Amino acid sequence: DGGITQSPKYLFRKEGQNVTLSCEQNLNHDAMYWYRQDPGQGLRLIYYSQIVNDFQKGDIAEGYSVSREKKESFPLTVTSAQKNPTAFYLCASRLGTSGAADEQFFGPGTRLTVL
Amino acid sequence: SQKIEQNSEALNIQEGKTATLTCNYTNYSPAYLQWYRQDPGRGPVFLLLIRENEKEKRKERLKVTFDTTLKQSLFHITASQPADSATYLCAPVQRDNFNKFYFGSGTKLNVKP
Repeated sequence: DGGITQSPKYLFRKEGQNVTLSCEQNLNHDAMYWYRQDPGQGLRLIYYSQIVNDFQKGDIAEGYSVSREKKESFPLTVTSAQKNPTAFYLCASRLGTSGAADEQFFGPGTRLTVL
Repeated sequence: SQKIEQNSEALNIQEGKTATLTCNYTNYSPAYLQWYRQDPGRGPVFLLLIRENEKEKRKERLKVTFDTTLKQSLFHITASQPADSATYLCAPVQRDNFNKFYFGSGTKLNVKP
């Protein structure tokens, strides 16, 4: 089955620790995205990548880092510099054809809690 | 700055009625606009897309309108069912940057039996 997987589903972190959230897709999509969602809030864009080895900051990139070494993988690291990391993290991908109005496919999300 | 507004108050309707959700945007020139459904604890799922040159789009019980003069999209669910209860998000996509997506905060729809 084609789709996006995120792991783990739940993640607990102690203050001061870095943690990495996994996102993998087998849809052969070029573009991938990371969003953060707080309770009762909308999605806020953290980082996005249009192609391998390239990525851009979204609106709330501070305290986060990403890499895009492979087309199918876009891991997100939440660093200790992120002051309030407890949230629901969503990864998405889209075909990314230039100028095409294609939709995003989302993973099931990772719920990160700082203890 | 670009802004997307969706009614933050939940919409409560009776089963069988038509639900109408609103998406307003400012400082945007979207080439198209997408609507997604999100259930609690899950990722959003794409529903419909409407382009700037389309006034209306339909898919089964769903209908979307797009008024670029009013800077507004309306999302209708006819003959609503309790299973339609979810949060609905809109995402206008800027014409000069198809790769950068912004979402509205969503409107929660509750359909009562």
